Amino acid sequence: ETGVTQTPRHLVMGMTNKKSLKCEQHLGHNAMYWYKQSAKKPLELMFVYSLEERVENNSVPSRFSPECPNSSHLFLHLHTLQPEDSALYLCASSHYVAGGHYGLGTDTQYFGPGTRLTVL
Amino acid sequence: QKEVEQDPGPLSVPEGAIVSLNCTYSNSAFQYFMWYRQYSRKGPELLMYTYSSGNKEDGRFTAQVDKSSKYISLFIRDSQPSDSATYLCAMSGGSAGNNRKLIWGLGTSLAVNP
Repeated sequence: ETGVTQTPRHLVMGMTNKKSLKCEQHLGHNAMYWYKQSAKKPLELMFVYSLEERVENNSVPSRFSPECPNSSHLFLHLHTLQPEDSALYLCASSHYVAGGHYGLGTDTQYFGPGTRLTVL
Repeated sequence: QKEVEQDPGPLSVPEGAIVSLNCTYSNSAFQYFMWYRQYSRKGPELLMYTYSSGNKEDGRFTAQVDKSSKYISLFIRDSQPSDSATYLCAMSGGSAGNNRKLIWGLGTSLAVNP
């Protein structure tokens, strides 16, 4: 495996289900991100983890719960979702240097292919 | 007013055409500008990165920033069917706090027809 991988690629769940999205990066990076991509909306940053510590949480509802057990793995746990949560969920990773800026310059973000989530 | 405006298209051009993709923005603190390309069923990948004003060229791609007009462009010369994708602009103020977050455009869908 190379780059950033995400599983599953497609997920259909009911509003009462609990599921988890998995992301794995094989690039030796130390920062990982969850983004939400919805039709007719710009990419929304959900969470940022740097060195396994959550450093950003952009007012995401508590029905989304991230977990970063180590610098290579990132999970997004889902429970009691709403139909409006249907979207493409993208994971990204980067090499963050202290004093740098997430997603800029040498801290370029590398994205996975995403998980297409449908909530019925 | 949105911080970043980008026409979602779709834009359809014949092979070999010059393509111009654009974004406008309202935050004068932005100084880092990026173009990402996203193929169908893939995540975005960084295509071009520019700091402050000016032009940057990489092969058939040229990124242009006009900070006085708050306008950025991506030009694709001799466009190929393999350039068919969605092109997203992203920008940031690069300093601490809210200005360091990447702000994204909606993306422009481009189809290059053989």
